[in-house]
Formats: sequence, C-alpha cells, structure tokens
Amino acid sequence: AQSVAQPEDQVNVAEGNPLTVKCTYSVSGNPYLFWYVQYPNRGLQFLLKYITGDNLVKGSYGFEAEFNKSQTSFHLKKPSALVSDSALYFCAVRWSSGNTGKLIFGQGTTLQVKP
Amino acid sequence: NAGVMQNPRHLVRRRGQEARLRCSPMKGHSHVYWYRQLPEEGLKFMVYLQKENIIDESGMPKERFSAEFPKEGPSILRIQQVVRGDSAAYFCASSVGVNQPQHFGDGTRLSIL
Repeated sequence: AQSVAQPEDQVNVAEGNPLTVKCTYSVSGNPYLFWYVQYPNRGLQFLLKYITGDNLVKGSYGFEAEFNKSQTSFHLKKPSALVSDSALYFCAVRWSSGNTGKLIFGQGTTLQVKP
Repeated sequence: NAGVMQNPRHLVRRRGQEARLRCSPMKGHSHVYWYRQLPEEGLKFMVYLQKENIIDESGMPKERFSAEFPKEGPSILRIQQVVRGDSAAYFCASSVGVNQPQHFGDGTRLSIL
C-alpha cells in the first residue's frame, strides 16, 4: 500500500540550531514529494517539492529537503531554526503514474523552536 | 493574486441537516481537490475535480457526500444528512496542472450539534 510516515510527533530545537523533520514513504514507482507547513487555524502552505533532478531541493523560508531513493526518505532541513518556524509540518506524496492529483499526507510533525 | 478562497470559515449544523462548503480556486487554476482533516490527524484526500468533471473520487464516502465544479462558479462539497462524525476541517486546494503544487485555502470547520 502507498503510505507516508512521519515518525516523530514532535521535534524540539533551540533557536539558531539546525533542524530536521523526517519523512519516509513506501511506493511502487516514482514519487512526487512535497512539504507543507500549517499554522493554527490556517490552511497548508507549500514549502518545496521534488519531482526529478537534483536530490537536494531548496524551498521557501530557507528550508530544504533531500530525496534519498535508496532509503525512501525525504527529510526536511533548515540550517538555523527561527522561533517563527514553530508550526505543524506535513510531508506528502503522489505517484507520477496515473492521472490522479491525490496527495497522501503523513500524520504531521509539530516543530517547536525555543528561544 | 488572491489565494484559494473557502467559505464559510465556520459552519454549524444539526444532525440531519445539509452542509454546503464552497471553494473558489486561485485564478488560472482549473484543478480542484478536497481534503478532510479530523482532529489530531493528517489530511485525507476526498475528491479531485477538473472543470465540470470528477477525475478521482476514491476518498469520498459512497453515501451523503457529493462534489461539483461547474463551468461557472465555485466548487461545492455537499454533505447531506450530516452526522456527528462529519465534524472536521475541510480543505480545498487548487493547482494549475495535475503535476504542479496544490495551494490550499484556510478551510471550513464543520461542527455538528
């Protein structure tokens, strides 16, 4: 079955430190991978995507993610965390085959950045 | 350029009533998607529409739920005879193409009394 896993419910980091939010997926075929961020009572904001090409993808607000096909992972990273980065982060995947735009989301990871 | 607009933001219904949720996609976007977010859970896909056509409704409950995206006007998600379990946040997203990023509205929070 196609699925996405975010193994950590919450990640805590100190401001200025690097952060990583983990995501792994199970797939048959080639995935398109996305990261979104959600602030309270708001919709999801697109951060970055991997379709093809370089495994390291750069996105909005200084975030980047690395696609690792052998480990089926797409971890979100940022070199220096800000308090304002505190939010709920979702990894999502859709498959390149077929005509559906269906995104499959992970359960979400709450990022808490402490001053 | 206005983002995806959803209304109402909050909707309260009694059991057995109908709920209508509206979504206006971003300008130039002809692909619309509906997702449901239950408390403490991630988003679950419901349906994907492209102007007047339902492309994928594999996540839509077979009964009481329907969606449309007419040639003119917003996309509508309709829930008939609502039950307590329908309480959730319903998000609409749109994209310019099926392989392009989906942009989300702020959601409609449906509460069933």
